[in-house]
Amino acid sequence: KAGVTQTPRYLIKTRGQQVTLSCSPISGHRSVSWYQQTPGQGLQFLFEYFSETQRNKGNFPGRFSGRQFSNSRSEMNVSTLELGDSALYLCASSRDRGFSMNTEAFFGQGTRLTVV
Amino acid sequence: AQTVTQSQPEMSVQEAETVTLSCTYDTSESDYYLFWYKQPPSRQMILVIRQEAYKQQNATENRFSVNFQKAAKSFSLKISDSQLGDAAMYFCAYRSAEEYGNKLVFGAGTILRVKS
Repeated sequence: KAGVTQTPRYLIKTRGQQVTLSCSPISGHRSVSWYQQTPGQGLQFLFEYFSETQRNKGNFPGRFSGRQFSNSRSEMNVSTLELGDSALYLCASSRDRGFSMNTEAFFGQGTRLTVV
Repeated sequence: AQTVTQSQPEMSVQEAETVTLSCTYDTSESDYYLFWYKQPPSRQMILVIRQEAYKQQNATENRFSVNFQKAAKSFSLKISDSQLGDAAMYFCAYRSAEEYGNKLVFGAGTILRVKS
């Protein structure tokens, strides 16, 4: 069974540009969450998508957005990149949303974004 | 809002010895889940162990066990018979069981070094 796939693995962008990151969840998983990991702020929740709708959002500016497609694949977009957006972006997929312990999150290997 | 604190930025252990990583959390909720994730240099987050707050019994997974003290809001991870492959960053994480969704709140992480 294939795991969570994130593409690309590495990305270098210039300040002011925009970037799109992709996440393919495990087959059958309908929930996709995104996290930003930086040395200074640690792991911070960006947003969660389920059934093509954003269900929850972290405390990030509107430059960070995302979407989910009917096959559950998700993309996140960052517009007008700033140096501080340099980070590892992790995607996690879960079978469902809910209160059950069984909605375990499986993580991808992340996309390392460097803004210069 | 919930917070998770890991007070040990770095820990070292001799191969075959036992080490305990600390985690405390703050929440007003009575029902929640707690997790320990391992992030090796490959960057992929791997679930090590999980605990349901309403269960008094401490979770165990092979060489990994937790000491869950609900009243003290403490959730430490004990690794027995440490192996070189245990070297990684370890994150403690919280997920609400009262709020619908899969959002994880992470601690800052503890780097574990294993000496041969």
